[in-house]
Amino acid sequence: ILNVEQSPQSLHVQEGDSTNFTCSFPSSNFYALHWYRWETAKSPEALFVMTLNGDEKKKGRISATLNTKEGYSYLYIKGSQPEDSATYLCASNDYKLSFGAGTTVTVRA
Amino acid sequence: SQTIHQWPATLVQPVGSPLSLECTVEGTSNPNLYWYRQAAGRGLQLLFYSVGIGQISSEVPQNLSASRPQDRQFILSSKKLLLSDSGFYLCAWSSLPRRNPLMNTEAFFGQGTRLTVV
Repeated sequence: ILNVEQSPQSLHVQEGDSTNFTCSFPSSNFYALHWYRWETAKSPEALFVMTLNGDEKKKGRISATLNTKEGYSYLYIKGSQPEDSATYLCASNDYKLSFGAGTTVTVRA
Repeated sequence: SQTIHQWPATLVQPVGSPLSLECTVEGTSNPNLYWYRQAAGRGLQLLFYSVGIGQISSEVPQNLSASRPQDRQFILSSKKLLLSDSGFYLCAWSSLPRRNPLMNTEAFFGQGTRLTVV
């Protein structure tokens, strides 16, 4: 993998359901994997920065895992709420911060 | 505490006119500085990044240039704007990861500039 890739591009979730999506990144020259939440009309804000293979981080109902050997990370949202609607960006950090295209999550009430 | 300022928030410029967007960071020294553009279906496209004064790396060939005249100042410029330069531009800073592996390297973003070239 040469670039940071995220899938799916968008998804719709019913309120209360859980969901997850993927970030793939180049495993060479890896230093850290970032997840950001980007709400409309706001600036992206960091959710997690992970550096070690097997890292798992959690913030409220959102959690993330990291596999640096195979170059992927998962973001999980448990019990989705309408306020979780946003674009979730991942970024690979070696000597620069390169972002994927994002996964846009829409939670339907 | 660290803050980042980006201006202007919105800008409407005619084709062929010059551009200057400015970004300044306060409360930190020797930050990594970035210019991104929101591209449809591509998330945040990295345009330029800088690890120090006068050090600029360009990620994509384009009509834009960047400069870092001071440690905490990053400027995005163009001599002649094209219609295709329209978009949403974000400036960001982060700590340089390899100086201190324990340092938090998350990026902090400015409020963005909505540029419309007409």
